[in-house]
Amino acid sequence: DSGVTQTPKHLITATGQRVTLRCSPRSGDLSVYWYQQSLDQGLQFLIQYYNGEERAKGNILERFSAQQFPDLHSELNLSSLELGDSALYFCASSVGVSPKNIQYFGAGTRLSVL
Amino acid sequence: GESVGLHLPTLSVQEGDNSIINCAYSNSASDYFIWYKQESGKGPQFIIDIRSNMDKRQGQRVTVLLNKTVKHLSLQIAATQPGDSAVYFCADINFGNEKLTFGTGTRLTIIP
Repeated sequence: DSGVTQTPKHLITATGQRVTLRCSPRSGDLSVYWYQQSLDQGLQFLIQYYNGEERAKGNILERFSAQQFPDLHSELNLSSLELGDSALYFCASSVGVSPKNIQYFGAGTRLSVL
Repeated sequence: GESVGLHLPTLSVQEGDNSIINCAYSNSASDYFIWYKQESGKGPQFIIDIRSNMDKRQGQRVTVLLNKTVKHLSLQIAATQPGDSAVYFCADINFGNEKLTFGTGTRLTIIP
């Protein structure tokens, strides 16, 4: 168990809908990262938050947004969903601001867009 | 596009033998490399990392080798066990671009 909790484990929704994925980092970790894992794109970095502030952005679509709350949990919001958004979404956390700190991954949320 | 890629998508190894998983990277500015293991239904799990000022680093049953001349990274697993069956990813961070970029992964299968 990595100590990172993601909910829900599975999510099935329809195109055009909006969903929210939730992540609770390991106790004491201030950084939260979001990744998307799909069959054709592999594991792709989306965005990083550190202590409530956006720190780095990767290949995150404009339809996607995230935030980190004062209690350090994070949410990833996906809107106007398309079939191609079906993927595993992972959250990771680390103690410091640098991504070179070991990132501990949650078990992921499997999103299916029908 | 990706700066990190893997030579082989699958690797089958006899239990007890050593495994070697290879990875190539293209960006000379990469200064940090990391190996992750992902078991079925789980998130990636950190195995070992290495910085660009090192050529070799050892952990428990694992060794990472870095050859900056040919931009090549390898993960050696000694005395492979059934629990080593997983997909292994290499990843790197480029100096000045503080984002972890993952390779496509190699599936390691252990033959009993």
